[in-house]
Amino acid sequence: AQKVTQAQTEISVVEKEDVTLDCVYETRDTTYYLFWYKQPPSGELVFLIRRNSFDEQNEISGRYSWNFQKSTSSFNFTITASQVVDSAVYFCALKIDRTGNQFYFGTGTSLTVIP
Amino acid sequence: SQTIHQWPATLVQPVGSPLSLECTVEGTSNPNLYWYRQAAGRGLQLLFYSVGIGQISSEVPQNLSASRPQDRQFILSSKKLLLSDSGFYLCAWSVTRGPGRSPLHFGNGTRLTVT
Repeated sequence: AQKVTQAQTEISVVEKEDVTLDCVYETRDTTYYLFWYKQPPSGELVFLIRRNSFDEQNEISGRYSWNFQKSTSSFNFTITASQVVDSAVYFCALKIDRTGNQFYFGTGTSLTVIP
Repeated sequence: SQTIHQWPATLVQPVGSPLSLECTVEGTSNPNLYWYRQAAGRGLQLLFYSVGIGQISSEVPQNLSASRPQDRQFILSSKKLLLSDSGFYLCAWSVTRGPGRSPLHFGNGTRLTVT
């Protein structure tokens, strides 16, 4: 069975602090994809990044970085120098290549950046 | 480029009334289409997904139904709404062809309040 766990329900940080959002996944498949989505107060889910199971190279995009570690089944998301606009709910998701259609979402982490 | 339209943005309906939410995708053909619901607890619940016209898979037994009358149109319906149907409904699409790496692309959502 597939599962995604985001143990952090809510996080509050002061502006300019760094914050890491944790994501742990479970699957026995060898080919899979991991995603992060941002849901600002407006409600729409915005796609941030995708990684496939064969690429453990970490990625950086501006203030965002992602750390994918197969050994610990984790795909963590770090925001450097957080800003108020980063306040949102963040979802981690897993997709199995074999099935192709279903996405398994974590329960989300609500991030509040305090000015 | 591809776009997804979902309407209405907000809806207030009395218990027992019917429901029809519509979603259309532009700029792509034969997409996978999804309906998700997000209750107050923030998690995303997959309700239905479709891999083609007239092909609907239901994930959760309930008083909701979905239809796909055209390739890029996905409709969520109910004959009689319940209070528990209140929530935030999100339509999404993904590419069907090729490896399963295509992310989900979400609409802006419909906030439904059943009174």
